[in-house]
Amino acid sequence: GESVGLHLPTLSVQEGDNSIINCAYSNSASDYFIWYKQESGKGPQFIIDIRSNMDKRQGQRVTVLLNKTVKHLSLQIAATQPGDSAVYFCAERGWGSNTGKLIFGQGTTLQVKP
Amino acid sequence: NAGVMQNPRHLVRRRGQEARLRCSPMKGHSHVYWYRQLPEEGLKFMVYLQKENIIDESGMPKERFSAEFPKEGPSILRIQQVVRGDSAAYFCASSPQSGLSDYGYTFGSGTRLTVV
Repeated sequence: GESVGLHLPTLSVQEGDNSIINCAYSNSASDYFIWYKQESGKGPQFIIDIRSNMDKRQGQRVTVLLNKTVKHLSLQIAATQPGDSAVYFCAERGWGSNTGKLIFGQGTTLQVKP
Repeated sequence: NAGVMQNPRHLVRRRGQEARLRCSPMKGHSHVYWYRQLPEEGLKFMVYLQKENIIDESGMPKERFSAEFPKEGPSILRIQQVVRGDSAAYFCASSPQSGLSDYGYTFGSGTRLTVV
């Protein structure tokens, strides 16, 4: 079916360590993926995106990896900081009608321990 | 340069009442999206609108829910005869075009609807 899901509901890391958040998607036709960060009481905030013609994209302290063979997406956060504590969602762009509709996963809570 | 503005931030309604949620897109944005987020869940697409047009309402419940984006003024998500299951956070997002550009689109801070 059409779904985007995350492997782990909660990830706890030590401040300064690297974090890896995983996501599986089911539609091989999806061509655009986004990671969002959502802090408590706020709306989703764009982190980084990647198109299906890429395997890797880097931003400031974040890297997104896309493995189309196994339909897997990951977000790597380097030197995790307390301010990174939030819920992280992957999303894929809806296919077919070009409406920009996004399909979100359920989210992974990242807890950063000082 | 204000972002996507949603109001009210919190809304409490009794069962059977109507809820009206407003969204003002970013300046220059003519595309609006509404999403609903239940507690401990991801966002679920509801509807996509351009000025005066509903483009995709595949995520809207068939009854009681409606949305509009008039030529002037904010986009409105209207829920009639609310029930407890409507309690959720409702997020609006806007983009300058149909969401195909980079950076996805910009979300507002949401309206948290509580039905009592």
